[in-house]
Amino acid sequence: DTAVSQTPKYLVTQMGNDKSIKCEQNLGHDTMYWYKQDSKKFLKIMFSYNNKELIINETVPNRFSPKSPDKAHLNLHINSLELGDSAVYFCASSSFPRTAPPNTEAFFGQGTRLTVV
Amino acid sequence: AQSVTQPDIHITVSEGASLELRCNYSYGATPYLFWYVQSPGQGLQLLLKYFSGDTLVQGIKGFEAEFKRSQSSFNLRKPSVHWSDAAEYFCAVGARGNDMRFGAGTRLTVKP
Repeated sequence: DTAVSQTPKYLVTQMGNDKSIKCEQNLGHDTMYWYKQDSKKFLKIMFSYNNKELIINETVPNRFSPKSPDKAHLNLHINSLELGDSAVYFCASSSFPRTAPPNTEAFFGQGTRLTVV
Repeated sequence: AQSVTQPDIHITVSEGASLELRCNYSYGATPYLFWYVQSPGQGLQLLLKYFSGDTLVQGIKGFEAEFKRSQSSFNLRKPSVHWSDAAEYFCAVGARGNDMRFGAGTRLTVKP
């Protein structure tokens, strides 16, 4: 049973297209994240959702829009894809409540390697 | 805001040698500290974590880390490195009311 699953694992698409990456967690966590890992392996947080509420929206172009239909899902939609969007995108989840210490670490999906051509 | 610094971008050690990967954090309150490992083409796997209590924490695969508040450090150690330990290692910090932030990573190469 995969704890955090992302689909697709690989995505190759042309510039200008719109694409979505899906993420689901079955851990009962209340917080989900999207991270972007660039070619130099640097992991940068993009979004954080806590109980379906957007908590963090880092300096990310508004072409990127997260959607959380419920606590177990956090999808990432990207409009008008650009070459610079090529990266590995990781979804993660944790029980990291805003008002209490965490009782678990973040669990990561396997990543989605996005290549924009 | 919290931040994490991993001073070493790339480290090479011989198989069987000891290893120490450095991590320094910046945060005013009690941090929650993590070490993750990423093998090529894989996601991130937790090695160990520190929330509170004993400052020396044991993790999987023979790794340990020591939290030193006075030095704002959480260095990762292993007494004897195996070839399979070659990977990218990430230190991360979280805090109440904030989210996990990662260091830039340290790439470990293991020489035969």
